[in-house]
Amino acid sequence: NAGVMQNPRHLVRRRGQEARLRCSPMKGHSHVYWYRQLPEEGLKFMVYLQKENIIDESGMPKERFSAEFPKEGPSILRIQQVVRGDSAAYFCASSPPTNQGTLQYFGPGTRLTVL
Amino acid sequence: AQRVTQPEKLLSVFKGAPVELKCNYSYSGSPELFWYVQYSRQRLQLLLRHISRESIKGFTADLNKGETSFHLKKPFAQEEDSAMYYCALRSGNTGKLIFGQGTTLQVKP
Repeated sequence: NAGVMQNPRHLVRRRGQEARLRCSPMKGHSHVYWYRQLPEEGLKFMVYLQKENIIDESGMPKERFSAEFPKEGPSILRIQQVVRGDSAAYFCASSPPTNQGTLQYFGPGTRLTVL
Repeated sequence: AQRVTQPEKLLSVFKGAPVELKCNYSYSGSPELFWYVQYSRQRLQLLLRHISRESIKGFTADLNKGETSFHLKKPFAQEEDSAMYYCALRSGNTGKLIFGQGTTLQVKP
């Protein structure tokens, strides 16, 4: 089991561009969580998804951010019209369907830099 | 409000000294708490959780509901313990985690 995969590991965008971050959960895991870590801060929850469903998006900014977890393929966190304040490390975690997120396995993160 | 506080950004000790990384929480309900660790150039990984009452790599943590604390302790620090440590609280039924700001533990030879 390769573990949670995220790509790209580093992403540079100019203000106004779009950023797409991908997360492939561990095999057999159908739950995905996205967290954001701003400089000098802890990780903050953004969104929780199951296959084809958004379960909890209480941590998502109201505008420009969206997430999906299709039936096939990775989960995608999409940031439209990026601004400098979006520069951060974005982590995803996956968990199996049986334990309601008690055990979350983290990916290596994507570091987004907005110029 | 649900919150996790780690008051120390950096804790520096000598090898063999005892270590205590502090964590306090605010949660209305029965809390479920975790410690995660991130070694240099590695991903975040679960160290221990209070439900298991286990000791991992010599670390223990006891939930103190009266003081709303979940401090991480180790009697004799090793250099390989140097890492970033995050305390986290599981919130609600969806399992989302609320993290503290993290404490960097530096164990000097």
